[in-house]
Amino acid sequence: GDSVTQTEGPVTLSEGTSLTVNCSYETKQYPTLFWYVQYPGEGPQLLFKVPKANEKGSNRGFEATYNKEATSFHLQKASVQESDSAVYYCALSDNGTGGYKVVFGSGTRLLVSP
Amino acid sequence: ETAVFQTPNYHVTQVGNEVSFNCKQTLGHDTMYWYKQDSKKLLKIMFSYNNKQLIVNETVPRRFSPQSSDKAHLNLRIKSVEPEDSAVYLCASSSDWGGYAEQFFGPGTRLTVL
Repeated sequence: GDSVTQTEGPVTLSEGTSLTVNCSYETKQYPTLFWYVQYPGEGPQLLFKVPKANEKGSNRGFEATYNKEATSFHLQKASVQESDSAVYYCALSDNGTGGYKVVFGSGTRLLVSP
Repeated sequence: ETAVFQTPNYHVTQVGNEVSFNCKQTLGHDTMYWYKQDSKKLLKIMFSYNNKQLIVNETVPRRFSPQSSDKAHLNLRIKSVEPEDSAVYLCASSSDWGGYAEQFFGPGTRLTVL
């Protein structure tokens, strides 16, 4: 079945440093790819999505490029802030035998210290 | 306010009891979902409904049953809870049942089974 594999956390960074969270996926379909972020005490919320290969998504200084050849969708940010501390999920849309659904990676907890 | 609302926020119960969780969305969406998030933040879809019709039913124990009275409400009943049911249950909705649209999540219901 379809799957998403991402950097195992926690990832601990100091404010102002750069972030990369790796995301690789497996699917026989042509998925839409997503990054969601979950802050403490809240449900996940969409950071951005990219429906087409070779396109880039971005929001709040985060960005990722849909690389169909490498089946990757790595999340990057040039300079993290303490407020970026959260759990980040890479996900893909899937049309499996059970119908349409979104498959989430295992989540990567980011901790940013001041 | 348009959002996804869940009640209760927390629930503590004993093994073998029945519990019900409520979810309501005021976003006008046709599709709603239930997810289970475990203590390691793994997020797994359980069910999805489109306009009151079940469209995704993942392999979950039969003691779990979704209930939809209209397209704005999707409740979850657990008959005879087990210790492994301890988790956060997240409700979500989207405008597209095909899995390509953004999903809007509620804050979750944390279940603890003693």
